[in-house]
Amino acid sequence: EVQLVQSGAEVKKPGESLRISCKGSGYSFTSYWISWVRQMPGKGLEWMGRIDPSDSYTNYSPSFQGHVTISADKSISTAYLQWSSLKASDTAMYYCARLGGGSAPYYWGQGTLVTVSS
Amino acid sequence: QSALTQPASVSGSPGQSITISCTGTSSDVGGYNYVSWYQQHPGKAPKLMIYEVSNRPSGVSNRFSGSKSGNTASLTISGLQAEDEADYYCSSYTTSSTPTVFGGGTKLTVL
Repeated sequence: EVQLVQSGAEVKKPGESLRISCKGSGYSFTSYWISWVRQMPGKGLEWMGRIDPSDSYTNYSPSFQGHVTISADKSISTAYLQWSSLKASDTAMYYCARLGGGSAPYYWGQGTLVTVSS
Repeated sequence: QSALTQPASVSGSPGQSITISCTGTSSDVGGYNYVSWYQQHPGKAPKLMIYEVSNRPSGVSNRFSGSKSGNTASLTISGLQAEDEADYYCSSYTTSSTPTVFGGGTKLTVL
């Protein structure tokens, strides 16, 4: 069974750094891209970027380029989403997803709620 | 990157059928057969219901079906049930700056 298990909820202050994780199991981790998707409170889904775990090649949405970093450690089947300086506007639920045909998210993690507040 | 266009809300009575539309352009929905649909219940992660326009993943009820005509894709739910009440999102492959674009979401209310 394909599973993506994300790290737990985080509460941070503006300006702090953060890394959240997404561990894949039940499949060959290096055979499928992983993407990250943001959902702000009460809003829709936004595609942030993706990574090929086999070589860590990444694509970012222009809306998120330069503000987040996506990485992966294939030795432990885990992808990461990282911020160096959080803003209040980063408060959202973040989902990782394993991609299928046409780069569509097929399998989703349970989500990580990030709250940024002073 | 503009989101795909979905109606904000649709509603139907138990047993009825409803259709949710997802309109894009020739650079996304109209150009590729990579349209997917997701169901999201409150507080839950999205769940894949339809992929590649009309294919259902294993375990998804055959009451859910997908189709496409031109730049518009559609999700039809037949025999509406109370548990179908949720938000629904479409997505498509796109040749724009990102490989995937989502619709704005549609809230389905079962009356």
